[in-house]
Amino acid sequence: SQQGEEDPQALSIQEGENATMNCSYKTSINNLQWYRQNSGRGLVHLILIRSNEREKHSGRLRVTLDTSKKSSSLLITASRAADTASYFCATAISGGYNKLIFGAGTRLAVHP
Amino acid sequence: EAGVAQSPRYKIIEKRQSVAFWCNPISGHATLYWYQQILGQGPKLLIQFQNNGVVDDSQLPKDRFSAERLKGVDSTLKIQPAKLEDSAVYLCASSSPGEGPLEAFFGQGTRLTVV
Repeated sequence: SQQGEEDPQALSIQEGENATMNCSYKTSINNLQWYRQNSGRGLVHLILIRSNEREKHSGRLRVTLDTSKKSSSLLITASRAADTASYFCATAISGGYNKLIFGAGTRLAVHP
Repeated sequence: EAGVAQSPRYKIIEKRQSVAFWCNPISGHATLYWYQQILGQGPKLLIQFQNNGVVDDSQLPKDRFSAERLKGVDSTLKIQPAKLEDSAVYLCASSSPGEGPLEAFFGQGTRLTVV
């Protein structure tokens, strides 16, 4: 079963605009990660935020985490056509053996 | 650093046939995952190994799927017999164990088409 759910399922924007994707999850986590997948390719890790962190930045990416609401958001600023891809959140489940569960993803299209 | 290697990249088989996928994780990574990704969906965890032991296979259809990781290094995932609904990309990933899983590194995947 999927742990995370991304919103929106699809997003279409113009170059230069910001893109915001949201992720909600159900159970306690150790950390939350965002991945990117270009069509037909493997997933690439973008950023990891731990459960005791609220915000993290990496280049044009900003991730927030609200553990009380069990939600996270990924902001891509000043988007480029090359950002066109699917973006997935993955939750590292607390306890057990570091289970990493993915959501359904947001398909982002950035138009020149 | 070499990445996660998977083979084959593509496979087309008829239903009821068997198929096997191979994965070689990044050297030193103790955790190995196999995911199934159906077109338009997120990756679904099939099985997770810690070294050569299975730590989660709750989503693995055990009547037809099997996986092993001999000597805690490379791994194979087998489907026998295949069904039409098994058509998907099979992704292998590895990571170092840590406080919660750290970054997972993915291979390019094997695209399976069952006809």
